[in-house]
Amino acid sequence: EIVMTQSPATLSVSPGERATLSCRASQSVSSNLAWYQQKPGQAPRLLIYGASTRATGIPARFSGSGSGTEFTLTISSLQSEDFAVYYCQQYNNWLLFTFGPGTKVDIK
Amino acid sequence: QVQLQESGPGLVKPSQTLSLTCTVSGGSISSGSYYWSWIRQPAGKGLEWIGRIYTSGSTNYNPSLKSRVTISVDTSKNQFSLKLSSVTAADTAVYYCARENIVAYGGGADVWGKGTTVTVSS
Repeated sequence: EIVMTQSPATLSVSPGERATLSCRASQSVSSNLAWYQQKPGQAPRLLIYGASTRATGIPARFSGSGSGTEFTLTISSLQSEDFAVYYCQQYNNWLLFTFGPGTKVDIK
Repeated sequence: QVQLQESGPGLVKPSQTLSLTCTVSGGSISSGSYYWSWIRQPAGKGLEWIGRIYTSGSTNYNPSLKSRVTISVDTSKNQFSLKLSSVTAADTAVYYCARENIVAYGGGADVWGKGTTVTVSS
């Protein structure tokens, strides 16, 4: 099983500031990594796939980078609607997709 | 616009079988570009992938749940279903159905149901 870890667990950021979230895989997942946003009481929403490509309709302030075992999600200028929990997910191991534990982005 | 909707009992007794159905609307479940999956989330915790099915009936399951999970598809009803046997309190969670989009997103899940809460309790 590929274990995903995320840091920090909680990130406190002021509106308009940049947020940088990290995700690490226990073994290489190449670029087969996705990021999701989840707000309270809602299902996750796909933000990024292929480690760095935004899904349809996702604002340009969201960007992803990395490959292999180290990945980053950056939100360039946080808007009020961006305060949420963010999960990374590897889909390199087709037989078992795994998620990270999540990073909560809250208002500073 | 494809939409997914989970349905099933919200309360299941310990040792019994949890059964949920996901109805696909706005598109055909038989489209060859997608896999159909179940994912769960205990309250206040992270996401756990349960398994997936292709319209051919081919399945993949999380090894940690494999002995208790069955996912099936009914293309005539545009639905797929989850059965989880011998449930315990640890199976209490919000259960989501989702579409894994292989062609557009490599495997990322681009459509999700709203989720349904299942509580295991006597």
